[in-house]
Formats: sequence, C-alpha cells, structure tokens
Amino acid sequence: EVQLVESGGGLVKPGGSLRLSCAASGFTFSSYSMNWVRQAPGKGLEWVSSISSSSSYIYYADSVKGRFTISRDNAKNSLYLQMNSLRAEDTAVYYCARDFGGAAIGDYWGQGTLVTVSS
Amino acid sequence: EIVLTQSPGTLSLSPGERATLSCRASQSVSSSYLAWYQQKPGQAPRLLIYGASSRATGIPDRFSGSGSGTDFTLTISRLEPEDFAVYYCQQGRTFGQGTKVEIK
Repeated sequence: EVQLVESGGGLVKPGGSLRLSCAASGFTFSSYSMNWVRQAPGKGLEWVSSISSSSSYIYYADSVKGRFTISRDNAKNSLYLQMNSLRAEDTAVYYCARDFGGAAIGDYWGQGTLVTVSS
Repeated sequence: EIVLTQSPGTLSLSPGERATLSCRASQSVSSSYLAWYQQKPGQAPRLLIYGASSRATGIPDRFSGSGSGTDFTLTISRLEPEDFAVYYCQQGRTFGQGTKVEIK
C-alpha cells in the first residue's frame, strides 16, 4: 500500500525556517518524481515544487523560488522541503504527492502538515 | 502562464442528479496533462481523472472526464452522498480555483 507521511510542520515566526519531511513507503520511491503542493486555510491548491527521481530536475513556483529548497534521499525513501525566509502568506497545509507521469499530477498524497507563519 | 478557470463556483444539487463541472484554460493545453481531483474537508485531494478522460485506480464509473484544447468537463452521472465535495482541475503545475458541489 502506498503511503506518504509528512512531518515537520508547526508555528514559526516571519523570517524563520522550517524543514518538512515526507516518508514514503509501499512503492519504489527512487523511480518516481515527487511534488510538494500547499493549501492556505480555506483556499485552493497551489503547486510548490517538483523533483525528478534522481534529483536531476527541480522546479519551483515563482512564489517560493530562492527561499525554498526541495531535496530527496532515495536511500531513506524520503522527500524534503527546506523553507527559509518564511512569510505569513506561506501559511498552509503542505502535502507531498507522488508524481504520475511526470506532469506534476499527484496520484497519491500524504495527509499534509500545517505550517503557520505568525509572530 | 496558463490560467484555469472553473465554473460554476458552487453547484447545488440533490443526490441522484447529474453534475457537470467545467474547467477552461486560458490557452490550448495538452489533454495528456489534464487532471481532476476531489477533496473533502480535512482530507488530502484524491485523483479522479488523468489524461482528461482516464479514471484513476478505484474511481467509480459514474465519474467521467472529457474535453480538449481549452475546454474540459468533469461529469458525475448520478450524485451519491459521498460525492459532495470540492473538485479541482489541474494542468501541469496550475490548478483551477475549485468547484464546490453541495447538497441542495
């Protein structure tokens, strides 16, 4: 059974940093691209970042470029999102999602982890 | 940058009725990368349709997708109580703003 479990969310002050993790199981993690997608409270979905299976290709939304860094450790079946210079508008539930077909389509999603940026 | 516009914003229907949701792209897009999701409160999105018309694993056949170019449609043939939710379309790294299907 495919499982994705996010962790690392919490309350952080503006300008602060946070590192999210996504633990994957039930599939060959090293064969799939992965995505981070976020959802601000009461709002819609926003794609944040994608990373290819071997980390050769990495993409970011303009809203996070230069502040967020996506990475993965295939030996640990884990995906990460390092978030720096956090802003109030980064407050959201962050989901990791397995990429389906290389088009940022998520066929499996984690339950999400809440990041709150507030003083 | 592609913009996806979903309509209507809210659809009020009764169980058993047919739901038709629209997703319009600001420019022609590849059907191969057009997906639909269902999201219920407090839950992660669930992939329903990919490639504009292919049902994801385990999705009931009352859900169907169609369209090409700039106009795409998600149809729920007969609404079941568990279908009342928010639906999003996605093309690549862009999501629509969502359509809420609520009980009338």
